[in-house]
Amino acid sequence: EADIYQTPRYLVIGTGKKITLECSQTMGHDKMYWYQQDPGMELHLIHYSYGVNSTEKGDLSSESTVSRIRTEHFPLTLESARPSHTSQYLCASSAFNTEAFFGQGTRLTVV
Amino acid sequence: KNQVEQSPQSLIILEGKNCTLQCNYTVSPFSNLRWYKQDTGRGPVSLTIMTFSENTKSNGRYTATLDADTKQSSLHITASQLSDSASYICVVSDRGSTLGRLYFGRGTQLTVWP
Repeated sequence: EADIYQTPRYLVIGTGKKITLECSQTMGHDKMYWYQQDPGMELHLIHYSYGVNSTEKGDLSSESTVSRIRTEHFPLTLESARPSHTSQYLCASSAFNTEAFFGQGTRLTVV
Repeated sequence: KNQVEQSPQSLIILEGKNCTLQCNYTVSPFSNLRWYKQDTGRGPVSLTIMTFSENTKSNGRYTATLDADTKQSSLHITASQLSDSASYICVVSDRGSTLGRLYFGRGTQLTVWP
């Protein structure tokens, strides 16, 4: 079983609120990723990190930001949530060229 | 452009039957190919990972094949069970960057009926 955790699993929040989605892994992986997935659609990379203090934007433009202060922790923040941010957010981690392990996801609904 | 195409988009089969899912990719330079199973509302879980030199890999009732020359892969499921109902995602990794970038297909939605 993969040791990567996301909280919360479900979040319903009002427009304009600031939110942080948490992602932690205990496998010591250098690489971590955030993906956005709408129902029935493919995963889109929105952020990734090679290691501590290294973050890059992914393919899909996102208004979210990330930080990587510790190897095991890769939180994603939305400063002002909007209904268009409603989606499922998946966090993953991997060692170099090995399989990626995914968290259970956070299903975000902005009303 | 690096792409991963999967077919069919969706598939319905009866319990106990076999099925085969297809994946074609244009990712280059190729590093490895993975098949993931994603249950509704959950994160993907790895089924198999195959490198350039591997043609076949099995994991229980799941058998993946890879033809690196034609850039095609298949996932064969034997004696399907109701719990096999899920989305099956083909993911290809390149080795042209330190990231080992992952490219995702849209998945095949499999439904197994009793």
